[in-house]
Amino acid sequence: EVQLVESGGGLVQPGGSLRLSCAASGFTFSSYEMNWVRQAPGKGLEWVSYISSSGSTIYYADSVKGRFTISRDNAKNSLYLQMNSLRAEDTAVYYCARDTQLVRWGQGTLVTVSS
Amino acid sequence: SYVLTQPPSVSVAPGKTARITCGGNNIGSKSVHWYQQKPGQAPVLVIYYDSDRPSGIPERFSGSNSGNTATLTISRVEAGDEADYYCQVWDSSSDHAVFGGGTQLTVL
Repeated sequence: EVQLVESGGGLVQPGGSLRLSCAASGFTFSSYEMNWVRQAPGKGLEWVSYISSSGSTIYYADSVKGRFTISRDNAKNSLYLQMNSLRAEDTAVYYCARDTQLVRWGQGTLVTVSS
Repeated sequence: SYVLTQPPSVSVAPGKTARITCGGNNIGSKSVHWYQQKPGQAPVLVIYYDSDRPSGIPERFSGSNSGNTATLTISRVEAGDEADYYCQVWDSSSDHAVFGGGTQLTVL
Protein backbone atom coordinates (compact mmCIF):
# COMPACT_ATOMS: atom_id res chain seq x y z
CA GLU A 1 0.00 0.00 0.00
CA VAL A 2 1.26 3.43 -0.95
CA GLN A 3 1.91 5.56 2.13
CA LEU A 4 3.23 9.06 2.63
CA VAL A 5 3.77 10.19 6.21
CA GLU A 6 4.76 13.76 6.99
CA SER A 7 6.47 14.84 10.20
CA GLY A 8 8.37 17.78 11.63
CA GLY A 9 5.59 20.32 11.99
CA GLY A 10 5.10 22.41 15.09
CA LEU A 11 5.08 25.89 16.57
CA VAL A 12 7.90 28.21 15.53
CA GLN A 13 8.52 31.91 16.01
CA PRO A 14 8.58 34.32 13.07
CA GLY A 15 12.02 34.27 11.48
CA GLY A 16 12.64 30.74 12.68
CA SER A 17 13.31 27.52 10.81
CA LEU A 18 11.74 24.11 10.54
CA ARG A 19 12.48 20.98 8.53
CA LEU A 20 9.63 18.81 7.35
CA SER A 21 10.05 15.20 6.35
CA CYS A 22 7.89 12.87 4.27
CA ALA A 23 8.51 9.14 4.59
CA ALA A 24 7.38 7.13 1.58
CA SER A 25 6.57 3.43 1.41
CA GLY A 26 4.73 0.98 -0.80
CA PHE A 27 6.23 2.17 -4.08
CA THR A 28 9.60 2.77 -5.74
CA PHE A 29 10.21 6.24 -4.36
CA SER A 30 13.21 6.94 -6.61
CA SER A 31 11.00 6.65 -9.70
CA TYR A 32 8.53 9.38 -8.79
CA GLU A 33 8.36 13.15 -8.83
CA MET A 34 7.25 14.69 -5.55
CA ASN A 35 5.63 17.89 -4.40
CA TRP A 36 4.85 19.88 -1.28
CA VAL A 37 1.43 21.51 -1.08
CA ARG A 38 0.11 23.59 1.81
CA GLN A 39 -3.25 24.73 3.09
CA ALA A 40 -3.66 27.67 5.44
CA PRO A 41 -6.45 27.33 8.02
CA GLY A 42 -9.81 27.67 6.30
CA LYS A 43 -8.18 28.40 2.95
CA GLY A 44 -7.58 26.59 -0.33
CA LEU A 45 -4.68 24.51 -1.55
CA GLU A 46 -1.40 26.19 -2.49
CA TRP A 47 1.42 24.42 -4.31
CA VAL A 48 4.79 25.00 -2.64
CA SER A 49 7.51 23.06 -4.43
CA TYR A 50 8.35 20.27 -6.88
CA ILE A 51 11.32 17.94 -7.20
CA SER A 52 12.03 15.46 -9.98
CA SER A 53 12.67 11.80 -9.31
CA SER A 54 16.44 12.24 -9.39
CA GLY A 55 16.39 15.59 -7.60
CA SER A 56 17.98 17.35 -10.55
CA THR A 57 14.99 19.58 -11.30
CA ILE A 58 13.39 21.76 -8.63
CA TYR A 59 10.72 24.45 -8.74
CA TYR A 60 9.29 26.74 -6.06
CA ALA A 61 6.24 28.93 -5.65
CA ASP A 62 7.13 32.61 -5.70
CA SER A 63 5.88 32.94 -2.12
CA VAL A 64 8.60 30.63 -0.76
CA LYS A 65 11.44 30.97 -3.24
CA GLY A 66 14.68 31.87 -1.50
CA ARG A 67 13.37 30.77 1.90
CA PHE A 68 12.39 27.11 1.41
CA THR A 69 14.52 24.26 0.07
CA ILE A 70 13.14 20.96 -1.19
CA SER A 71 15.34 17.88 -1.26
CA ARG A 72 15.09 14.11 -1.28
CA ASP A 73 17.09 11.06 -0.24
CA ASN A 74 16.13 8.20 -2.50
CA ALA A 75 18.18 5.75 -0.43
CA LYS A 76 16.03 6.62 2.59
CA ASN A 77 12.74 6.94 0.66
CA SER A 78 12.34 10.41 2.09
CA LEU A 79 11.37 13.88 0.94
CA TYR A 80 12.27 17.04 2.85
CA LEU A 81 11.32 20.70 3.04
CA GLN A 82 13.72 23.02 4.83
CA MET A 83 11.83 26.18 5.77
CA ASN A 84 13.79 29.26 6.82
CA SER A 85 12.80 32.85 7.61
CA LEU A 86 9.30 31.68 8.45
CA ARG A 87 6.44 34.17 8.43
CA ALA A 88 2.97 34.15 9.94
CA GLU A 89 1.54 33.58 6.46
CA ASP A 90 3.43 30.28 6.22
CA THR A 91 1.10 28.86 8.87
CA ALA A 92 -0.59 25.90 7.21
CA VAL A 93 -0.95 22.16 6.98
CA TYR A 94 1.84 20.93 4.73
CA TYR A 95 1.23 17.87 2.56
CA CYS A 96 3.65 15.86 0.49
CA ALA A 97 2.13 14.47 -2.69
CA ARG A 98 3.35 12.10 -5.36
CA ASP A 99 3.47 12.80 -9.12
CA THR A 100 2.68 15.98 -11.01
CA GLN A 101 -0.98 14.97 -10.91
CA LEU A 102 -0.73 14.54 -7.12
CA VAL A 103 -2.02 10.99 -7.15
CA ARG A 104 -1.27 10.27 -3.51
CA TRP A 105 -1.14 12.60 -0.52
CA GLY A 106 0.08 12.26 3.01
CA GLN A 107 -2.09 13.19 5.97
CA GLY A 108 -0.27 16.49 6.44
CA THR A 109 1.68 18.14 9.22
CA LEU A 110 0.70 21.46 10.82
CA VAL A 111 3.17 24.32 10.90
CA THR A 112 2.25 27.29 13.07
CA VAL A 113 4.34 30.44 12.88
CA SER A 114 3.55 32.66 15.82
CA SER A 115 5.22 34.52 18.64
CA SER B 1 0.86 33.94 -13.59
CA TYR B 2 -1.83 31.51 -14.66
CA VAL B 3 -5.16 31.81 -12.86
CA LEU B 4 -7.88 29.19 -12.39
CA THR B 5 -11.34 30.39 -11.43
CA GLN B 6 -13.93 28.21 -9.68
CA PRO B 7 -17.34 29.11 -8.28
CA PRO B 8 -17.14 29.27 -4.47
CA SER B 9 -20.14 27.04 -4.02
CA VAL B 10 -22.46 24.69 -5.85
CA SER B 11 -25.61 23.13 -4.42
CA VAL B 12 -27.42 20.08 -5.73
CA ALA B 13 -30.20 17.77 -4.60
CA PRO B 14 -29.44 14.10 -4.01
CA GLY B 15 -29.71 12.03 -7.16
CA LYS B 16 -29.19 15.02 -9.43
CA THR B 17 -26.11 16.05 -11.41
CA ALA B 18 -23.55 18.53 -10.12
CA ARG B 19 -21.26 20.41 -12.47
CA ILE B 20 -18.26 22.28 -11.11
CA THR B 21 -16.41 24.53 -13.53
CA CYS B 22 -12.80 25.63 -13.65
CA GLY B 23 -12.01 28.58 -15.89
CA GLY B 24 -8.62 29.50 -17.28
CA ASN B 25 -7.14 31.09 -20.37
CA ASN B 26 -7.07 28.36 -23.03
CA ILE B 27 -7.29 25.72 -20.30
CA GLY B 28 -8.27 23.24 -23.01
CA SER B 29 -4.61 23.11 -24.01
CA LYS B 30 -3.60 21.96 -20.53
CA SER B 31 -4.16 18.80 -18.52
CA VAL B 32 -6.58 19.35 -15.66
CA HIS B 33 -6.70 17.35 -12.45
CA TRP B 34 -9.49 17.42 -9.85
CA TYR B 35 -9.30 16.75 -6.11
CA GLN B 36 -11.95 16.11 -3.51
CA GLN B 37 -11.30 17.21 0.06
CA LYS B 38 -13.59 16.41 2.97
CA PRO B 39 -13.28 18.26 6.28
CA GLY B 40 -10.20 17.29 8.26
CA GLN B 41 -8.90 15.01 5.52
CA ALA B 42 -6.20 15.18 2.88
CA PRO B 43 -7.28 15.80 -0.72
CA VAL B 44 -8.03 12.82 -2.94
CA LEU B 45 -7.50 12.76 -6.70
CA VAL B 46 -10.83 12.06 -8.42
CA ILE B 47 -10.04 12.97 -12.06
CA TYR B 48 -6.69 13.28 -13.79
CA TYR B 49 -5.65 14.29 -17.30
CA ASP B 50 -9.01 15.96 -17.87
CA SER B 51 -11.20 12.85 -17.79
CA ASP B 52 -9.41 9.79 -16.40
CA ARG B 53 -10.58 8.24 -13.15
CA PRO B 54 -8.17 6.68 -10.65
CA SER B 55 -9.03 3.20 -9.47
CA GLY B 56 -11.58 3.28 -6.70
CA ILE B 57 -13.30 6.47 -7.88
CA PRO B 58 -16.94 5.84 -8.84
CA GLU B 59 -17.97 6.14 -12.49
CA ARG B 60 -20.35 8.88 -11.35
CA PHE B 61 -17.32 11.21 -11.47
CA SER B 62 -16.34 12.45 -14.91
CA GLY B 63 -14.43 15.35 -16.41
CA SER B 64 -14.17 17.36 -19.58
CA ASN B 65 -11.96 20.17 -20.79
CA SER B 66 -12.33 22.47 -23.78
CA GLY B 67 -11.68 26.08 -24.67
CA ASN B 68 -11.50 28.17 -21.52
CA THR B 69 -13.44 25.84 -19.21
CA ALA B 70 -12.88 22.48 -17.59
CA THR B 71 -15.79 20.77 -15.88
CA LEU B 72 -16.08 18.15 -13.17
CA THR B 73 -19.43 16.36 -13.40
CA ILE B 74 -20.82 14.26 -10.57
CA SER B 75 -23.87 12.22 -11.57
CA ARG B 76 -26.44 10.82 -9.17
CA VAL B 77 -25.03 12.90 -6.35
CA GLU B 78 -24.95 11.32 -2.90
CA ALA B 79 -24.66 12.89 0.53
CA GLY B 80 -21.12 11.49 0.77
CA ASP B 81 -20.05 13.63 -2.18
CA GLU B 82 -20.37 16.76 -0.07
CA ALA B 83 -16.84 18.22 -0.01
CA ASP B 84 -14.56 20.89 -1.39
CA TYR B 85 -13.37 20.31 -4.94
CA TYR B 86 -10.22 21.81 -6.47
CA CYS B 87 -9.00 21.89 -10.05
CA GLN B 88 -5.28 22.00 -10.81
CA VAL B 89 -2.98 22.37 -13.80
CA TRP B 90 0.74 22.58 -14.41
CA ASP B 91 1.66 25.93 -15.93
CA SER B 92 4.65 25.15 -18.11
CA SER B 93 5.37 28.83 -18.77
CA SER B 94 6.22 29.38 -15.10
CA ASP B 95 6.96 25.78 -14.05
CA HIS B 96 4.40 26.13 -11.30
CA ALA B 97 1.46 23.98 -10.30
CA VAL B 98 -1.69 26.09 -10.02
CA PHE B 99 -4.85 25.36 -8.05
CA GLY B 100 -8.27 26.86 -8.44
CA GLY B 101 -9.74 28.51 -5.38
CA GLY B 102 -11.96 25.54 -4.64
CA THR B 103 -15.70 24.89 -4.80
CA GLN B 104 -17.76 23.78 -1.84
CA LEU B 105 -20.32 21.23 -2.97
CA THR B 106 -23.43 21.14 -0.81
CA VAL B 107 -25.90 18.29 -1.12
CA LEU B 108 -29.32 19.67 -0.21
